[in-house]
Amino acid sequence: AQTVTQSQPEMSVQEAETVTLSCTYDTSENNYYLFWYKQPPSRQMILVIRQEAYKQQNATENRFSVNFQKAAKSFSLKISDSQLGDTAMYFCAFMKASYSGAGSYQLTFGKGTKLSVIP
Amino acid sequence: DAMVIQNPRYQVTQFGKPVTLSCSQTLNHNVMYWYQQKSSQAPKLLFHYYDKDFNNEADTPDNFQSRRPNTSFCFLDIRSPGLGDAAMYLCATSREGDYEQYFGPGTRLTVT
Repeated sequence: AQTVTQSQPEMSVQEAETVTLSCTYDTSENNYYLFWYKQPPSRQMILVIRQEAYKQQNATENRFSVNFQKAAKSFSLKISDSQLGDTAMYFCAFMKASYSGAGSYQLTFGKGTKLSVIP
Repeated sequence: DAMVIQNPRYQVTQFGKPVTLSCSQTLNHNVMYWYQQKSSQAPKLLFHYYDKDFNNEADTPDNFQSRRPNTSFCFLDIRSPGLGDAAMYLCATSREGDYEQYFGPGTRLTVT
C-alpha cells in the first residue's frame, strides 16, 4: 500500500513571496505519477501539476514547480510570486502508473496543507 | 463549461435517517468516483463506477451504497448515517484509463 505524508498542516506566505510545500511518500512501485491538487475554500479541487516518476526533469507550470527526489521519495511544491488566489488547501497525491483495471487509476492523497497568502 | 456538479452543497440529516447525495457531470466521462473527506484528513476513496460496473473499496462500510442510472448521474446513499459519517463528500470523474480526475465542489454532510 502507498502512503503520502504532508508534514505541514498550515503555512502562510506574504503576497509576491515564494513558498515551498513538502510531501513525502512511501511505495514499492517503480512507475507512478505524483500530483499536487489545489482546493480553494468552498470550491472544487483542481489539478495544479503532475510528475511522472520516470522523468528526471522537474515539472513546471507557470509559477508552480516541483522538486522531485525519487530516491528520497520526496515531492515538494514551490509557488513563486504568491498571489491571493493561491490561498487554498493543497493536497499531494500518488497514483500507480500500472492500470488497476475497472477503468480507473487509484489516487492516494495526503492530509493536505492549508496555505494562506497574506496581503 | 463542462463540469462536475454536486447537489446539495450542504446537507443536514438526523442520526439514522437515510440521505442521498447527488453528482452529475457534463464531461461525458465513463468513470465516476466518490470520496469521503473528514476534517483534517486525506480524501478517501469509497467506490467508483466504470460505466455501470460498480467497484467497492474493501474497507467501505456497508452503510454506504451507490447508484449510477446513466453516464451523467451518480448517487451516494447513506442508509443509516452515524455521527462518524459527517464529512465532505467529493465526486470526481475521469476518462477510462486516464490519470486525471475532475472534481466537483463537494457536499458537506452534517449529522445531528
